[in-house]
Amino acid sequence: AQSVSQHNHHVILSEAASLELGCNYSYGGTVNLFWYVQYPGQHLQLLLKYFSGDPLVKGIKGFEAEFIKSKFSFNLRKPSVQWSDTAEYFCAVTPKNSGGYQKVTFGTGTKLQVIP
Amino acid sequence: DTAVSQTPKYLVTQMGNDKSIKCEQNLGHDTMYWYKQDSKKFLKIMFSYNNKELIINETVPNRFSPKSPDKAHLNLHINSLELGDSAVYFCASSQRGNSPLHFGNGTRLTVT
Repeated sequence: AQSVSQHNHHVILSEAASLELGCNYSYGGTVNLFWYVQYPGQHLQLLLKYFSGDPLVKGIKGFEAEFIKSKFSFNLRKPSVQWSDTAEYFCAVTPKNSGGYQKVTFGTGTKLQVIP
Repeated sequence: DTAVSQTPKYLVTQMGNDKSIKCEQNLGHDTMYWYKQDSKKFLKIMFSYNNKELIINETVPNRFSPKSPDKAHLNLHINSLELGDSAVYFCASSQRGNSPLHFGNGTRLTVT
């Protein structure tokens, strides 16, 4: 079974600071990787995804993530955060060969608080 | 034009009661899911249905029973509610294969 670790539980940044949230996964085969964001009181929304190809993927709102296969990592980055980025961020993984359906495993989430 | 809609948004009930949460998606997706998010924001899959067929059933008490009348609907019925069932329950859908999950707005269940 796969597992996902997010090492930062709560991150506090000032506006315009750079962001990097760590995500490591554990699984013996190939995976699809996702970052989801949950704004306060809202549902989860997809930020970006990696299936194959260029390991540097760009998502919405200026976010990007880099898949480093050798490190089993998929860290999320943003060069300059805004107050509106305050939210909970979830890394997620699903095996590629899951029989056509997805058993998505989520990390425990990182709460990002951006101070104006 | 809500893609994945859940009702109700809030549900407050007493221990021992039976309650249902409804979910509908208009995305034409084949697969639907129920996730439970606890007070620490941890998300755990409960069930998944593909074209009305149960394909994922995690370790969930028998008091929880999903029902999928068609591939656009996945309801969750909970019998004999317990305090520990208090959480936010999210419905989600996706196409088979690699497509991302689309989540509903969640149902905040509070058991008193």
